[in-house]
Amino acid sequence: EVQVLESGGGLVQPGGSLRLSCVASGFTFSNHAMNWVRQAPGKGLEWVSTISGGGTVTYYADSVKGRFSISSDNSKNTVYLQMNSLRVEDTAIYYCAKDTSRYGTYCDSWGQGTLVTVSS
Amino acid sequence: DIQMTQSPTSVSASVGDRVTITCRASEDISRWLAWYQHKPGRAPQFLIYAASSLQSGVPSRFSGSGSGTDFTLTISSLQREDFATYYCQQADSFPYTFGQGTKLEIK
Repeated sequence: EVQVLESGGGLVQPGGSLRLSCVASGFTFSNHAMNWVRQAPGKGLEWVSTISGGGTVTYYADSVKGRFSISSDNSKNTVYLQMNSLRVEDTAIYYCAKDTSRYGTYCDSWGQGTLVTVSS
Repeated sequence: DIQMTQSPTSVSASVGDRVTITCRASEDISRWLAWYQHKPGRAPQFLIYAASSLQSGVPSRFSGSGSGTDFTLTISSLQREDFATYYCQQADSFPYTFGQGTKLEIK
């Protein structure tokens, strides 16, 4: 059974940093891209970032480019989202999701999410 | 960036009703489209991919159609557990984009 579990959320001040982790199991991690998607309070889903299986290619939404960095560790079946220069508008539930393909298409298994609150 | 526009934004329906949600892309995305169901406090669920392929384990009352710029999600006979928010997502090119969501409420 595929499982995805996020951690690392919390309260941080504007301008601060946070690193989210996502541990996956139940599939061959290096064969699938991994995604981060967020949902701000009262808003819809927003794609944030994707890393290819093997970690060679990364993609970012314009809203986080230059501030967030996605990486993966195949030995630990874990994907990370390093978030720097955080803004109030980054407040959201952050979901990690397994992709159906190696280079990114659809999110077929999602975690329960981890809440990031950016506030002074 | 490709913009995805869903309609309606919200819809009220009764158990047993047939409901259709539409999603329009700002440019041709062929059949690179997925549909998701999201309930408050839960992980989103993957329903349909490649516009019309049903994900394993998803009830057959869900169906998708369309290509190019216009797509639909149909629920043939609503069940109580279907009341949720539904999102389309284009996977034609990065940055991936979601529609704004359609909230399906009980009448």
